[in-house]
Amino acid sequence: GENVEQHPSTLSVQEGDSAVIKCTYSDSASNYFPWYKQELGKGPQLIIDIRSNVGEKKDQRIAVTLNKTAKHFSLHITETQPEDSAVYFCATSSNTGKLIFGQGTTLQVKP
Amino acid sequence: NAGVTQTPKFQVLKTGQSMTLQCAQDMNHNSMYWYRQDPGMGLRLIYYSASEGTTDKGEVPNGYNVSRLNKREFSLRLESAAPSQTSVYFCASGRRGNNQPQHFGDGTRLSIL
Repeated sequence: GENVEQHPSTLSVQEGDSAVIKCTYSDSASNYFPWYKQELGKGPQLIIDIRSNVGEKKDQRIAVTLNKTAKHFSLHITETQPEDSAVYFCATSSNTGKLIFGQGTTLQVKP
Repeated sequence: NAGVTQTPKFQVLKTGQSMTLQCAQDMNHNSMYWYRQDPGMGLRLIYYSASEGTTDKGEVPNGYNVSRLNKREFSLRLESAAPSQTSVYFCASGRRGNNQPQHFGDGTRLSIL
């Protein structure tokens, strides 16, 4: 079945450093790749998404890159701040419209 | 504009009890979803409703039922709760069609003893 693998499961960086989270997927029909940020006690919040006709997308300090040939995509956060500390989830969707989520990455940004 | 509202926020049940989790959205979205979140497993789709009047099973539907009451509301029912259903439940909504972002509520934390 469809599967999304997310790495690493935990990531600790110093404030100001960059953080990278990677996801690989199995369904070659996947064409939508969102990233969600979840803070403690809250629901996931969409932070950036990319569609399969685009290789890279950037929004201020956040960027996502997509390699459809290799079936992987990554979230890049530059100049990390303590408020970036949260759990991050990648997800994929094909034409079914249903999202398949990765297992999550707990990011800790140390001041 | 509250987005997606879930009630209750917390609930403790005994094994065998029944319960309905409520979800409402005010974004005029056609599609609504129920997920459960367990440690280390991300979010798994229980049921979804692509539009008013339709519901379909997701990845883990066993032990659950849903009702799309109207365009705004989508409820999840546990008929006979089991300890394995202890989880955090999230409702989400999105526009009609594929590749649309989903917007999540803040969850219901459910413990079954």
